[in-house]
Amino acid sequence: AQTIHQWPVAEIKAVGSPLSLGCTIKGKSSPNLYWYWQATGGTLQQLFYSITVGQVESVVQLNLSASRPKDDQFILSTEKLLLSHSGFYLCAWSLRSFSNERLFFGHGTKLSVL
Amino acid sequence: AQSVTQPDARVTVSEGASLQLRCKYSYSGTPYLFWYVQYPRQGLQLLLKYYSGDPVVQGVNGFEAEFIKSNSSFHLRKASVHWSDSAVYFCAVSTNNNNAPRFGAGTKLSVKP
Repeated sequence: AQTIHQWPVAEIKAVGSPLSLGCTIKGKSSPNLYWYWQATGGTLQQLFYSITVGQVESVVQLNLSASRPKDDQFILSTEKLLLSHSGFYLCAWSLRSFSNERLFFGHGTKLSVL
Repeated sequence: AQSVTQPDARVTVSEGASLQLRCKYSYSGTPYLFWYVQYPRQGLQLLLKYYSGDPVVQGVNGFEAEFIKSNSSFHLRKASVHWSDSAVYFCAVSTNNNNAPRFGAGTKLSVKP
């Protein structure tokens, strides 16, 4: 069975500090991978997606970057956090690059920037 | 570009009552439609999806949704809610262009005992 694991579960960081969030998918080769951001009480905003290793597409600019160093790993990072980065970050995967496929979500990372 | 509107940010119903959560989309072609549920501090889980065929689709836990093309709607329904249905419900739409679904703002459902 496929599993998706996000780390850490929660982070409290200072403004201006760096950040790295991770996501690992096991049991599925070459998945499409996605990062979503959810402001407190807000909707989901797609940030990045990746179809293959080393290839990441940005959907919206939020002073964040993403990388896919391995087939099963997706990293979200920034060198300098802003207060506006606070929220809930969700990693997701889908089977293929067709948009009628359902998404499988991780449990998310709650980020508080102080 | 496609968009999704969930006009009700919060809905409160009593346990055992019927439920309808509204979703309207904007897209000129035939959309792919989804309902996801998010329990506190968790990721989203798929409730149901519509691609084609019978416009009424059945999902998990007694949920169903009806695709009405003329109204551009995909409302979620349940005949009798349980307190454990309290969660945030997201409607999502995608198209045949390889992008991930676009989500609505979500509706927070509170079920009173």
